[in-house]
Amino acid sequence: EVQLQESGPGLVKPSQSLSLTCSVTGYSITSNYWGWIRKFPGNKMEWMGYISYSGSTSYNPSLKSRISITRDTSKNQFFLQLNSVTTEDTATYYCAEEKWYYFDYWGQGVMVTVSS
Amino acid sequence: DVVMTQTPVSLPVSLGGQASISCRSSQSLVHSNGNTYLHWYLQKPGQSPQLLIYRVSNRFSGVPDRFSGSGSGTDFTLKISRVEPEDLGDYYCLQSTHFPRTFGGGTKLELK
Repeated sequence: EVQLQESGPGLVKPSQSLSLTCSVTGYSITSNYWGWIRKFPGNKMEWMGYISYSGSTSYNPSLKSRISITRDTSKNQFFLQLNSVTTEDTATYYCAEEKWYYFDYWGQGVMVTVSS
Repeated sequence: DVVMTQTPVSLPVSLGGQASISCRSSQSLVHSNGNTYLHWYLQKPGQSPQLLIYRVSNRFSGVPDRFSGSGSGTDFTLKISRVEPEDLGDYYCLQSTHFPRTFGGGTKLELK
């Protein structure tokens, strides 16, 4: 079974970059799609973007040029970088596998607070 | 972006009872390939979201048949029969027909 686990700092200062890692076991990230989703305080959920089996990426336009998703296939990991964060980026961040247009397996989530 | 409107926001239920959650989209969710990419998730307290239903009415592996999805176009429903304690939590619909993928605002299923 696919398992995903997020890791990264829980506190980021405003204007800095948020960097998270998703480690995947049980399946190769060179198959399917691998995405990031976040849940804000108040429960709104937002799809952020994905990286495909080939390494191509797709991002939510709401994040404009602040987001980058990359991968290391040798470690079976993919990464989220979100630049110029503000307090509005405070959320729980999830990585997930996307197959046939739906997310079937998710990580447990990592809470990130943006605060000085 | 496609706006997904879920109702109700809160749904008190009795154990053993039935619950129905509505999800309406601001545009038709029928893809050009003929499929409808509307999915349902449950997030239990302290856990990550889990897939219940994909493409309107298909139960994901291990999901009990107490859960059923229906609908078409812009109007979709998740029904839970014989509600059990482990069914309590936040339910979300997700559309992936249109870019970007968008979620409904969520429905909290709680005990009456």
